[in-house]
Amino acid sequence: EPEVTQTPSHQVTQMGQEVILRCVPISNHLYFYWYRQILGQKVEFLVSFYNNEISEKSEIFDDQFSVERPDGSNFTLKIRSTKLEDSAMYFCASSRLRYGGHNEQFFGPGTRLTVL
Amino acid sequence: DQQVKQNSPSLSVQEGRISILNCDYTNSMFDYFLWYKKYPAEGPTFLISISSIKDKNEDGRFTVFLNKSAKHLSLHIVPSQPGDSAVYFCAATRMNYGGSQGNLIFGKGTKLSVKP
Repeated sequence: EPEVTQTPSHQVTQMGQEVILRCVPISNHLYFYWYRQILGQKVEFLVSFYNNEISEKSEIFDDQFSVERPDGSNFTLKIRSTKLEDSAMYFCASSRLRYGGHNEQFFGPGTRLTVL
Repeated sequence: DQQVKQNSPSLSVQEGRISILNCDYTNSMFDYFLWYKKYPAEGPTFLISISSIKDKNEDGRFTVFLNKSAKHLSLHIVPSQPGDSAVYFCAATRMNYGGSQGNLIFGKGTKLSVKP
């Protein structure tokens, strides 16, 4: 069964450093998403991406964040200058449909980001 | 502003009995609702969904009920099994104006424990 994969599973970084979190969505999916979950809190939407551009972003997704689909398979989230409060689980998700209806989003296993 | 609320942080049920997980929402624009299951150190796994034009959707042991007038949905698991022990998240979304996929708004989750 196809699945969303994410690397690395755990990333430790120093405050102020740049990190890139990587995701490989399910191959025939068209919509891609990043969510995060701070420990003990709810899963929060960050950004959605379709046709090589951002479709929607939350207020969390400020200028320190960017997303990219550098090739036909990878989808990345970059945090330019990490802060302590960026420590969280980051989940990538993808979904199949765009027009005319809903479809469920499939999530990857997550990357745990720890900012020291 | 909690648009999706799961007021029970935990629920304990005996194996073989029914588990009922509840979710309330405040935004009447939501038109699609999903339940995800999450094990520790894994991403959310899609379970079942329901469109706002329906009031019930069933898939094996899992049934989701939607009461639009009360802005309430529930997930029923019958019969409950120890392997169902996990955190269950309710999520809601709405069709964006252009017909694109909306982002998911999650509740805080309910931890279900099914005891043998």
